[in-house]
Amino acid sequence: TQLLEQSPQFLSIQEGENLTVYCNSSSVFSSLQWYRQEPGEGPVLLVTVVTGGEVKKLKRLTFQFGDARKDSSLHITAAQPGDTGLYLCAAATSGTYKYIFGTGTRLKVLA
Amino acid sequence: ETGVTQTPRHLVMGMTNKKSLKCEQHLGHNAMYWYKQSAKKPLELMFVYNFKEQTENNSVPSRFSPECPNSSHLFLHLHTLQPEDSALYLCASSQVPPGQGWYSPLHFGNGTRLTVT
Repeated sequence: TQLLEQSPQFLSIQEGENLTVYCNSSSVFSSLQWYRQEPGEGPVLLVTVVTGGEVKKLKRLTFQFGDARKDSSLHITAAQPGDTGLYLCAAATSGTYKYIFGTGTRLKVLA
Repeated sequence: ETGVTQTPRHLVMGMTNKKSLKCEQHLGHNAMYWYKQSAKKPLELMFVYNFKEQTENNSVPSRFSPECPNSSHLFLHLHTLQPEDSALYLCASSQVPPGQGWYSPLHFGNGTRLTVT
């Protein structure tokens, strides 16, 4: 069974702090996505990474795909209360569109 | 209306009831999904439809019955549910091109919060 483990599970930080969220697996994936889910809403795509070692930036968010395409990280610089939410990684193996999701990281940024 | 719309937003049902969840996507996508989101568990894939054909049934109990009459609509029929089936049920869609090596993102609705009493 393919599993995506995310850490930490919960994170509460002050506005302006930096943080990193991790997504790890023993399986190799053809692509990996990060989503953010706010209360009462469905997950919304933040980024897709497809190449081992790839780094993508989205304003204050930096995403990295591991060289072996088994893990990924999300780094947020100078967190803001608007970053509060549930962060989910998701991945699919090559040739399938059966996405599995990680266990999630619930982030709370205090003003 | 754009995006993925799910109705109802909230549903409370008894274990002997029969109800249906509805999902409609206005994105022109050809694949639709049902996911279950429970507390303390990762999002669980339940069913996948591609071009109206069911391509995935992730060992879901028969008390959940999906229906996909066309590429834009997806239903989840519920009957004789158990209290442990209480969860947020999310519908999603994506565009699946032919061949391998594609990276189409999932577009989710806002879900139906189901409570089984």
